[in-house]
Amino acid sequence: DIQMTQSPSSLSASVGDRVTITCRASQTISNYLNWYQQKPGKAPKLLIYLASSLQSGVPSRFSGSGSETDFTLTISSLQPEDFATYYCQQSRSPPLTFGGGTNVEIK
Amino acid sequence: DVQLVESGGGLVQAGGSLRLSCAASGFSFRSYWMHWVRQLPGKELMWVSRIDSDGSSTEYADSVKGRFTISRDNAKDTLYLQMNSLRVEDSAAYYCVRDIYSGSYNFDPWGQGTLVTVSS
Repeated sequence: DIQMTQSPSSLSASVGDRVTITCRASQTISNYLNWYQQKPGKAPKLLIYLASSLQSGVPSRFSGSGSETDFTLTISSLQPEDFATYYCQQSRSPPLTFGGGTNVEIK
Repeated sequence: DVQLVESGGGLVQAGGSLRLSCAASGFSFRSYWMHWVRQLPGKELMWVSRIDSDGSSTEYADSVKGRFTISRDNAKDTLYLQMNSLRVEDSAAYYCVRDIYSGSYNFDPWGQGTLVTVSS
């Protein structure tokens, strides 16, 4: 199985900050990498697919980059509604696997 | 609006069975691959199973293979997960999710989830 490792597991940031979350795959997955946002009590929501494609309706302050084994989710200017947990997921091949999550908290 | 609504969760003893359902609306259900994903109490997300658009092909995570069965009724726009021989470690919120395009393994949208608790 492909293991997905996210870092950091949590971070504290202020509104307006630039935030970067990283995800590493245990083997090369090309660009088959997705990012999700989950708020407390809600289901995850797709933000980015195929490493850098913005899902419809997602604000442009979210962006994704990377390929093969190393990937990054960037929030260019953190907004109050962005405080949540973020997960990466490899879509290269089943079993589809997720990272452990990064909790973005208010500083 | 595209909507997925799960039902059928609850409390069951280890060794028991449950059948989850997911009612789809707002899109052509028969055209999309569908999945079940679960979220453990510690918030870890784990893919469980997928089914192709006409139900002819399925895949499972090793931890549920032989115990869980995914199926669909395209006439009723409904996805199912039959869970047998349940274990304590199957306790989780179970989400019904759609591929953004069939075979993409990119999940959107997600249902609201249904909670399964397996007691010892």
